[in-house]
Amino acid sequence: KAGVTQTPRYLIKTRGQQVTLSCSPISGHRSVSWYQQTPGQGLQFLFEYFSETQRNKGNFPGRFSGRQFSNSRSEMNVSTLELGDSALYLCASSSNIGGSYNEQFFGPGTRLTVL
Amino acid sequence: SQQGEEDPQALSIQEGENATMNCSYKTSINNLQWYRQNSGRGLVHLILIRSNEREKHSGRLRVTLDTSKKSSSLLITASRAADTASYFCATDARGNNRLAFGKGNQVVVIP
Repeated sequence: KAGVTQTPRYLIKTRGQQVTLSCSPISGHRSVSWYQQTPGQGLQFLFEYFSETQRNKGNFPGRFSGRQFSNSRSEMNVSTLELGDSALYLCASSSNIGGSYNEQFFGPGTRLTVL
Repeated sequence: SQQGEEDPQALSIQEGENATMNCSYKTSINNLQWYRQNSGRGLVHLILIRSNEREKHSGRLRVTLDTSKKSSSLLITASRAADTASYFCATDARGNNRLAFGKGNQVVVIP
């Protein structure tokens, strides 16, 4: 099976712009989670989508949003970018069906730099 | 809030030695997982241990879980230079509806 893919791999934006990141999960996985990783805060959970519905959400402002399509591909959007949004954004897919989180398969990440 | 907290934060060892990392957490969990990350890339799942398990092995990895102390340890035996990476524990806490990662433990294996 092909792994989790994320596009683009690198992105440079300026403050105030918006950005859309894409994630294609492993075939058959219906759960897609997004994480932000920074040196200061570590790995922080953004949200999880399952069958096109946001199932869980982390503590991020409304500028961070996402969606999932019928083929399980997911996008996340960050509007009105701030310098502090510079981070590695990681997507993970899994076969989570029930209430617990199983093994997560991570993509290589999108490195976002906000200038 | 972060569930897992790894200890020690950084570890430097010689190839062939064993590396041990600990992780503590605060609330009841469904499972605890360990991941490895090489230099700013994606995380790789290493092992998952459920709350009713006490020890698990996978190749050169050994994970223990002590739910009474709310702690876990990851042991890498006979380390190799390729084991140089950051290691994260992550907890699936009951009622938390997310996988919460610790801040990571950087391991450097010197050839």
